[in-house]
Amino acid sequence: EVQLVESGGGVIRPGGSLRLSCVDSGFTFDDYGMSWVRQAPGKGLEWVSGINRNGDNTGYADFVKGRFTISRDNAKKSLFLQMNSLRAEDTALYYCARGYINGPFDLWGQGTMVTVSS
Amino acid sequence: EAVMTQYPATLSVSPGERATLSCRASQSVSSNLAWYQQKPGRAPRLLIYGASTRATAIPARFSGSGSGTEFTLTISSLQFEDFAVYYCQQYNNWPRTFGQGTKVEIK
Repeated sequence: EVQLVESGGGVIRPGGSLRLSCVDSGFTFDDYGMSWVRQAPGKGLEWVSGINRNGDNTGYADFVKGRFTISRDNAKKSLFLQMNSLRAEDTALYYCARGYINGPFDLWGQGTMVTVSS
Repeated sequence: EAVMTQYPATLSVSPGERATLSCRASQSVSSNLAWYQQKPGRAPRLLIYGASTRATAIPARFSGSGSGTEFTLTISSLQFEDFAVYYCQQYNNWPRTFGQGTKVEIK
């Protein structure tokens, strides 16, 4: 079965850092761009960041630019999101999703929850 | 940034009836528009892309139309499993943006 599995979420104090991971199983990971999309509790969806197949093209939403860094390891079929200088408003369920430059997000993980609170 | 506006916010429909959901973009997104379904506690699922193409395994009762700035998702005969929140999303401009969602509830 094709799926994405996220990990790394947790409770962190404002100003802290977390690193999210997403592992693919069942598809050719390096054929696809990948993204992170988040959803605050009870709210809608927000695209956070994306990376192309090779990892040499990345994009960020303005609200995370300079604080978050996306990367990937194709040999390990893994996607990462390094999150620094976390704020309360970053509290959300973070989804890993297949897709970036071309096309929609056609495959989603189940998400990993990040809570920023003192 | 292309702001996506969905309406109505909530749609009350009886099973078996037709549901029509709308999405408007603040600037043209061509046909680079997707629709997703999200049920409580679940990840979003891609329904429609390219404004009108059904994704894999999506039933024919779901259809999409529109281009430019006005788009519609139609569910021809609502089944109980279709009661959920639906989001539109454009992938024509940066950053990628979503609408705020339309909740389809049982009347």
